[in-house]
Amino acid sequence: GAGVSQSPSNKVTEKGKDVELRCDPISGHTALYWYRQSLGQGLEFLIYFQGNSAPDKSGLPSDRFSAERTGGSVSTLTIQRTQQEDSAVYLCASSLKPGGFGQPQHFGDGTRLSIL
Amino acid sequence: GQQLNQSPQSMFIQEGEDVSMNCTSSSIFNTWLWYKQDPGEGPVLLIALYKAGELTSNGRLTAQFGITRKDSFLNISASIPSDVGIYFCAGLNAGGTSYGKLTFGQGTILTVHP
Repeated sequence: GAGVSQSPSNKVTEKGKDVELRCDPISGHTALYWYRQSLGQGLEFLIYFQGNSAPDKSGLPSDRFSAERTGGSVSTLTIQRTQQEDSAVYLCASSLKPGGFGQPQHFGDGTRLSIL
Repeated sequence: GQQLNQSPQSMFIQEGEDVSMNCTSSSIFNTWLWYKQDPGEGPVLLIALYKAGELTSNGRLTAQFGITRKDSFLNISASIPSDVGIYFCAGLNAGGTSYGKLTFGQGTILTVHP
């Protein structure tokens, strides 16, 4: 498809399990971003990739969270030993180049993660 | 860290009315963006503002980048039922390691009664 694709769209798992969330950005977009949206809240920045490297990981809430990007394309966000407070919608966005000027971020529809 | 205060938190209006919402920041941004989010979907960009004082329109939507670079507003004229959704402001500072990192407001939930 033409847009940012995220999978799964919904994930329910038990506390303590590990989860992997996938993002497939728009073809040719070099910048990729992960955000988290808790119920009724705005989006919270997690991590930014330029190519395969992550210049800004400042938003990752704990060392249980990690992300990687391979081939300058697909990215995976991994949450280890999930906790109930990890329940949220995880959104991925991509842009043609980093920065804001004329390079809007296009969002996927997110993965709704529920920790039981 | 940077914080955006968006108001109002929610609005209930009649179809045909005009709507105004705004965001203020404790610090400067060099780009302001307005997004709309429908249930179960990701945010969709409505308007991007790149210069202090800039006033930009997109159909019935008008947004302005405040002169101080610490605020922005969004107006929707002659609202229609499909305007229903959550509207977010977002600020961006393109530079350093935070290149492209968006800081979002808390959102304004808009309900339009036919």
